[in-house]
Amino acid sequence: GESVGLHLPTLSVQEGDNSIINCAYSNSASDYFIWYKQESGKGPQFIIDIRSNMDKRQGQRVTVLLNKTVKHLSLQIAATQPGDSAVYFCAENAGNMLTFGGGTRLMVKP
Amino acid sequence: SQTIHQWPATLVQPVGSPLSLECTVEGTSNPNLYWYRQAAGRGLQLLFYSVGIGQISSEVPQNLSASRPQDRQFILSSKKLLLSDSGFYLCAWSKGSGQPQHFGDGTRLSIL
Repeated sequence: GESVGLHLPTLSVQEGDNSIINCAYSNSASDYFIWYKQESGKGPQFIIDIRSNMDKRQGQRVTVLLNKTVKHLSLQIAATQPGDSAVYFCAENAGNMLTFGGGTRLMVKP
Repeated sequence: SQTIHQWPATLVQPVGSPLSLECTVEGTSNPNLYWYRQAAGRGLQLLFYSVGIGQISSEVPQNLSASRPQDRQFILSSKKLLLSDSGFYLCAWSKGSGQPQHFGDGTRLSIL
């Protein structure tokens, strides 16, 4: 079946640096994508989303880029802080359902 | 604003016992509701979703069932728990298709 996956299971960055988390998807019919942040013992928290008619969307310190040609999604976090340490999931939407990637753990070194 | 509540936060149950996990949403009407299971260090697996009262769709064959007795209430149940039912169970809601899903803080279920 079609799926969403992540290139890097663990990403370690220095505090203050920018972080880039990548995600590949395979369902060409997906038209809506979401990034979630999950801290230990908690549910996923919505960060930012993007629809397929866009290729870039910015939030507070975060930017999502969508490349439909190669079916690639990325999350950029500017000036990474210790509080950004978490597992990040991408998800693609098809109909009423989200399909989640396996997650990337972001570790921020002080 | 909308909020979602799940309880209990943690639960330890013996094999063969029944299960009932409850999820309620406040501040919205006619939400889509979802139950997911997350194994340790893994992604989320969709178990059930509901687009309205009494309407349940199951995504995977399993030992669990779901019900939606009220518009903003979603219940996950089992008559007899198996060891393999252990995991982190998450409830989520959305306004509809193509809208973000918002998650509760989950129930960590351990089967002994």
